[in-house]
Amino acid sequence: AAGVIQSPRHLIKEKRETATLKCYPIPRHDTVYWYQQGPGQDPQFLISFYEKMQSDKGSIPDRFSAQQFSDYHSELNMSSLELGDSALYFCASSLRGEETQYFGPGTRLLVL
Amino acid sequence: QKEVEQDPGPLSVPEGAIVSLNCTYSNSAFQYFMWYRQYSRKGPELLMYTYSSGNKEDGRFTAQVDKSSKYISLFIRDSQPSDSATYLCAMSHTGGNQFYFGTGTSLTVIP
Repeated sequence: AAGVIQSPRHLIKEKRETATLKCYPIPRHDTVYWYQQGPGQDPQFLISFYEKMQSDKGSIPDRFSAQQFSDYHSELNMSSLELGDSALYFCASSLRGEETQYFGPGTRLLVL
Repeated sequence: QKEVEQDPGPLSVPEGAIVSLNCTYSNSAFQYFMWYRQYSRKGPELLMYTYSSGNKEDGRFTAQVDKSSKYISLFIRDSQPSDSATYLCAMSHTGGNQFYFGTGTSLTVIP
């Protein structure tokens, strides 16, 4: 079965640079979520989208923005990167009305 | 204080043992309860999903929810070395879509 696809899988950036992470949800899923997971920590919710509209917002820094496109894929844009942004970034998707979220393999971001 | 508390372990058991993993929570609005398994450097994989109180069994895995005590459990029977991973509990409100995760319990099953 098709799963959530994230790209790139690994990304190395320097401080103050920008990064764009992409997420392709499971086919027919209309909702995407972004999470940040630091080393040894649980995933922290950043933001979610349903039908291209922001549906919920968590601890997403103002330096980050995200959007969902007409084909339901989503992009997380991160600017003015800081060392503390180094983490695993997960995208999850679900079908509205179903509470289960299916996670992608994550993008490992390292900020030097 | 986190809304979801989970003992981080680490937990080490011999192969074949019964494993009990637990989470407590403070928000009585949570209605949906999930258990995810996460291998190192991988995305969380959905194991079990339960709505409201009760038990749910799937193979070697049993999930229990006790809403009166705000306590959920995952039992793994006949544990296998391949079960070695971090187990995360997660929960959400009715109609809400943000997941609140526990910190995860690291489990090692020794052959």
